[in-house]
Amino acid sequence: SQKIEQNSEALNIQEGKTATLTCNYTNYSPAYLQWYRQDPGRGPVFLLLIRENEKEKRKERLKVTFDTTLKQSLFHITASQPADSATYLCALAPSEDDKIIFGKGTRLHILP
Amino acid sequence: GAVVSQHPSWVICKSGTSVKIECRSLDFQATTMFWYRQFPKQSLMLMATSNEGSKATYEQGVEKDKFLINHASLTLSTLTVTSAHPEDSSFYICRTTGENPEAFFGQGTRLTVV
Repeated sequence: SQKIEQNSEALNIQEGKTATLTCNYTNYSPAYLQWYRQDPGRGPVFLLLIRENEKEKRKERLKVTFDTTLKQSLFHITASQPADSATYLCALAPSEDDKIIFGKGTRLHILP
Repeated sequence: GAVVSQHPSWVICKSGTSVKIECRSLDFQATTMFWYRQFPKQSLMLMATSNEGSKATYEQGVEKDKFLINHASLTLSTLTVTSAHPEDSSFYICRTTGENPEAFFGQGTRLTVV
């Protein structure tokens, strides 16, 4: 069966350190993978998209990698801050019909 | 980026009544709108896909007569939860797609059925 897994339900990171979140998928060959941030009681907000022919994408303190052989994406937040505390969702589109599939998310807590 | 405005942000209703949730695209034309439901600590589950001017497509296990979707214009899509029951209490979110193709979500609606 097709699955998308974020294998940490929650993650505590000390302020200033790098937070690394993992997304694994099986039985998909997505053309791209996305990461979103979701705060409690709010809709997700788009952060980054990485395509299958890209190894790495950066945006300010964020970095995403995409390994299509391992079927894995890593999401990094460098110099983490308490304001980065949120749930981060991994998402991919398994086909061209735009039905994006989301992981359950990882709740990240940046400890001051 | 595109903005999707969703209302209401929260609603409490009595069991057996109906609730309408609206999603408006403010600065672009949303040909397609997706409706999701999210239970606590769970992922977003796609309920249905609506296209302007045509009938919505529902995912397996979602009752089309209970969750009525209307997409009468390029800027407005609505989800009506009919004869709501406590088990329908959840967080409902709409989203559309930008050009990149990132997804733009509404703010979400917390529905509580008592």
